[in-house]
Amino acid sequence: GNSVTQMEGPVTLSEEAFLTINCTYTATGYPSLFWYVQYPGEGLQLLLKATKADDKGSNKGFEATYRKETTSFHLEKGSVQVSDSAVYFCALSDRDGQNFVFGPGTRLSVLP
Amino acid sequence: SAVISQKPSRDICQRGTSLTIQCQVDSQVTMMFWYRQQPGQSLTLIATANQGSEATYESGFVIDKFPISRPNLTFSTLTVSNMSPEDSSIYLCSVVGGNYGYTFGSGTRLTVV
Repeated sequence: GNSVTQMEGPVTLSEEAFLTINCTYTATGYPSLFWYVQYPGEGLQLLLKATKADDKGSNKGFEATYRKETTSFHLEKGSVQVSDSAVYFCALSDRDGQNFVFGPGTRLSVLP
Repeated sequence: SAVISQKPSRDICQRGTSLTIQCQVDSQVTMMFWYRQQPGQSLTLIATANQGSEATYESGFVIDKFPISRPNLTFSTLTVSNMSPEDSSIYLCSVVGGNYGYTFGSGTRLTVV
């Protein structure tokens, strides 16, 4: 079945540091890939998505590129802020939006 | 994408009691999903709620413990029954938002004492 693996946290960075959170997946066919963010005390918000190979999703300075050859969808940001402190979930679904699967989440703490 | 209103946002409940969580969507959707997020964990799908039929439960979840109602295409409830401290979690509803992936409610943070 489908699965998602993320780098284990927690990740602690200083403000303005470069961020990478690795995500790899196993899936049949051509899944859609997502990053969700959960700020402290809140529900999940869609951060970005990509629906086909080589697509780049981007939002709020975050980027992730759908790499089919390496089955990866790593999240990056060039300069993190304290307000980026949250838990980040990589996820995938089938092309038709079914069989949604979440990764375990990576907690990011950004220090001033 | 759809906008979901979920309530209550949080509650502290006595063991042995039940809590009903409500989820209202601003558009008609075929399927609604209920997830549980235990402390420090990822999300686990509890069940899929389709309007007009019984909810479909995932392995490890049963209707007697988590009864679900889906009276129309914009509303659903999840009840956590006969609660114990192990039920302390965040419960989230979600809907499929087409190309936007899943949209989530803000969650209900439940603490059972």
